[in-house]
Amino acid sequence: EVLLVESGGRVVQPGGSLRLTCVVSGVSLEQYAVHWVRQVPGRGLEWISLLSWDGGSTYYADSVKGRFTISRDTDNNSLFLQMDNLRADDTALYHCAKANGGIYYYSMDVWGKGTPVTVS
Amino acid sequence: EIVMTQSPDTLSVSLGDRASLSCRASQTVTSDLAWYQHKPGQAPRLLIYAASRRAPGVPDRFSGSLSGTDFTLTISSLQSDDFAVYYCQHYNSWPPRITFGGGTKVE
Repeated sequence: EVLLVESGGRVVQPGGSLRLTCVVSGVSLEQYAVHWVRQVPGRGLEWISLLSWDGGSTYYADSVKGRFTISRDTDNNSLFLQMDNLRADDTALYHCAKANGGIYYYSMDVWGKGTPVTVS
Repeated sequence: EIVMTQSPDTLSVSLGDRASLSCRASQTVTSDLAWYQHKPGQAPRLLIYAASRRAPGVPDRFSGSLSGTDFTLTISSLQSDDFAVYYCQHYNSWPPRITFGGGTKVE
């Protein structure tokens, strides 16, 4: 069974930094791309970032480009989201998600339950 | 920037009804579209990818289609487990962008 468990969310002041962690089990991060997606309370889903299966390419939503950085540790099969210069509108529940295989990597077939971030 | 518009915002249905959820792109797009089911307190669940391919384990009452710039998720006969919010998600390969629609609540 593939499981993704996020951690690291907490209350942080505007302008502060936070690092989220997503521990993956049941599959190797070296085989699949991975995403971060957030959900603002009472609102919909927003894609944040994508890391390619080989770790060589990263992509970001315009709303976080230049402030957030996605990375991974293949030895520990973990994904990270470094969030700097946080703003109030970054307040959300942050999910990591495993990408579907092959050319369908844009879709997310296994999700974590999320970790809450509050910027206030 | 491609905008994905879902309609209706809320769909009121009864058990056994057929439900059609729409997701319209603001311009001509590829078929790189997925549908997700999201229930409160749970992680989203992938239902459909590539506009019409069912994800493993998804019941065949769920189907996806594309006509022009209009994507549709159809639930052929609503079951009690199907009441949730449904999101479409499109992928644009260049520049790489992933866009979610605003969601349709099936109640």
